Amino acid sequence: GESVGLHLPTLSVQEGDNSIINCAYSNSASDYFIWYKQESGKGPQFIIDIRSNMDKRQGQRVTVLLNKTVKHLSLQIAATQPGDSAVYFCAENMGAAGNKLTFGGGTRVLVKP
Amino acid sequence: SAVISQKPSRDICQRGTSLTIQCQVDSQVTMMFWYRQQPGQSLTLIATANQGSEATYESGFVIDKFPISRPNLTFSTLTVSNMSPEDSSIYLCSVEWATGGTQETQYFGPGTRLLVL
Repeated sequence: GESVGLHLPTLSVQEGDNSIINCAYSNSASDYFIWYKQESGKGPQFIIDIRSNMDKRQGQRVTVLLNKTVKHLSLQIAATQPGDSAVYFCAENMGAAGNKLTFGGGTRVLVKP
Repeated sequence: SAVISQKPSRDICQRGTSLTIQCQVDSQVTMMFWYRQQPGQSLTLIATANQGSEATYESGFVIDKFPISRPNLTFSTLTVSNMSPEDSSIYLCSVEWATGGTQETQYFGPGTRLLVL
C-alpha cells in the first residue's frame, strides 16, 4: 500500500470507544475549518466543517469543537468502528487568503477490534 | 457533492520525463486546486487553476515545473515536468462546491500516485 500516514502521530482506539483527534491551527484570522478523512489509496473525504462564529457542531457520530482562544480544533468520533481507521486532517481557510486551505499534519487512527 | 475523477490513478515514470494528470468534474465549478501529498505527509497547495487565465502558484512552486491548464469549468490538467525521484507523491485536485446552497468547501479527487525512478 501507499505510505500515507506512515510518519504521522497515531491514535490507537478500541472498537466502540470514543476517539478524540486534536489540531492546533496557526492563523487567528482563519474563519472556516474542515476535517477530512483519508483512507489508504483514496483522496481526502469531507467529514464536517465549522465556522469561526460557532464553537461546536455535530454530525452523524462526529462532533467538531473549536476553541478560538487557544486556536485549537478537535474532532470527536463516537463509538469508533473499524471503518473509521484512516488518517484525519484538519484544514483552515485563512480568512483574507481567500479560498485557499492550509492543512494540519494529520493523525492516523487505528481501531483495534 | 460534485464527482471528481483523475487520470491516471497511478504511474511509474523515468526521471527526466513529464507526466500530465487530468482532473474532470461532473459539474461546472469556479474554483479548482492542485495539491501535492508527499509520502507520509500532509497536503500542500501547488496552485489555483483559474479558468481562462494563468494559474496562481504558491510559494515554492513554479509554472515551468508544474504547468497547469484550465480550458473550461469542468476540466484541468497538471503537468509534472522533468521529473526527479523527489517528485514521487500523490497529486490531488480539488474543487470548491456548496452543498445545500450554504458554505462552499473543497472536495477532493481520488489522487494520482506517482513514482519516479
